[in-house]
Order: sequence, then structure tokens, then C-alpha cells
Amino acid sequence: QVQLQESGPGLVKPSETLSLTCAVSGYSISSGYYWGWIRQPPGQGLEWIGSVSHSGTTYYNPSLKSRVTISVDTSKNQFSLKLYSVTAADTAVYYCARPTRRDSTSSGFDIWGQGTMVTVCS
Amino acid sequence: QSALTQPASVSGSPGQSITISCTGSSGDVGGYNFVSWYQQHPGKAPKLMIFGVSNRPSGVSDRFSGSKSGNTASLTISGLEAEDEADYYCSSYTSSSTQIFGGGTKLTVL
Repeated sequence: QVQLQESGPGLVKPSETLSLTCAVSGYSISSGYYWGWIRQPPGQGLEWIGSVSHSGTTYYNPSLKSRVTISVDTSKNQFSLKLYSVTAADTAVYYCARPTRRDSTSSGFDIWGQGTMVTVCS
Repeated sequence: QSALTQPASVSGSPGQSITISCTGSSGDVGGYNFVSWYQQHPGKAPKLMIFGVSNRPSGVSDRFSGSKSGNTASLTISGLEAEDEADYYCSSYTSSSTQIFGGGTKLTVL
């Protein structure tokens, strides 16, 4: 059974970098898929942040591209999100997820982590 | 990229059917058969209900169905049940190899 678990600081100061990790169990990241990050501000809708392949190929939301880096660490079977120069608008629940299709970013996400709340506040 | 357009809310009585629309453009919904629908209960992670416009993951009730016409996709829930009350989001693949979500629709079961 594939499981995803987000981890990282729950509080980040404005202008600093938000860093989260998603640990994958029950499946080897090296075997495929484009692993994704999605966020949801309090009381608002979902926003796709970006996805990374097992080989490190990345795709980002154009609105966040200048501030985001998503990377993969196959040795630790995890992938990570870095969001730079955060503001209060980046306060959200951050989810990591795996899509249904192994070979592209085209499909929906059928396996999700439980989500982690990150608050940007001084 | 602008969010896909969904109605803010829909409602229906138990046993009835409802449809939620999701409107995009030829660069996303209209251009690809890669529309997904998610159900989200308060405080929970989203659950995939439909992928590839009309496919149901294993374990999802056949009361949920999806379709698409032009730049608009639709999710239909038949035989409404109290447990269907939740937020629903559509998403689509785009011409930039990205994903885009709709703004979400709150379903109330009367």
C-alpha cells in the first residue's frame, strides 16, 4: 500500500524559505511517476504547485515558477518542495500526491498525503 | 493560468441527481481528455472520484459519473446521499504540461 507523508516546519517567517518533504512508503520513487505538490489556503480552493519525475524533470505552476523548486531524492525515497520569499498569502495546507498515470503529468492524483499546515507569520 | 470555472454551490435532496460544471478553454479542458474530479470533506485530503473525464477509480460508487462537451466538463451524482455533501473540485491537464484546478463547488444535500 502506497503512503505519502509530508513533514516540515509549521511556521515560517515572511521572506524566508518554506521547505517540505514528502516521504513515500510502499513504492520506490525510482520506478516512475510524476510526484506532485498541491496547496490549499484556509477556506479556499486547491492550487497545483508542481510535479517532479523520478529522474528529476520538473513542471511548475507558472504563477509560482519563479519562487519554487521541487526535487527528488531516490536514495531516501522522498521528494521535496522549496518555496522562496514567502508571504502571508503562502499560508496553506500543503499536500503531496501521486497521479494515476506513471508517465506524465496529465492524470489526476489518486494517492494523497494527509497534508501539513504551514503558516507564514513573523 | 486562470482557475477553471465552477459554480460556487449546488444543492439537491436525497435521491435526486445533481450536475456540477467545470469550464475551461481549448488549452485545457477542451483540448485533452484529462479531466479529473475530487471530493473533499472538511479537514480531509481530496479524494479522486473521476479521472480521464469519465473513469472511476476502484472503490468509487457508480453514482458518480463524468462527461465533457467542448470546453466544459461535468460531474453528475445520482441518487444523492447525505455523505455526498462535500466540496468538489475539477482539474485538467493543460497545453503547458501543467495541472489546473477549478475554484471548487460546495454541494449541500438538503
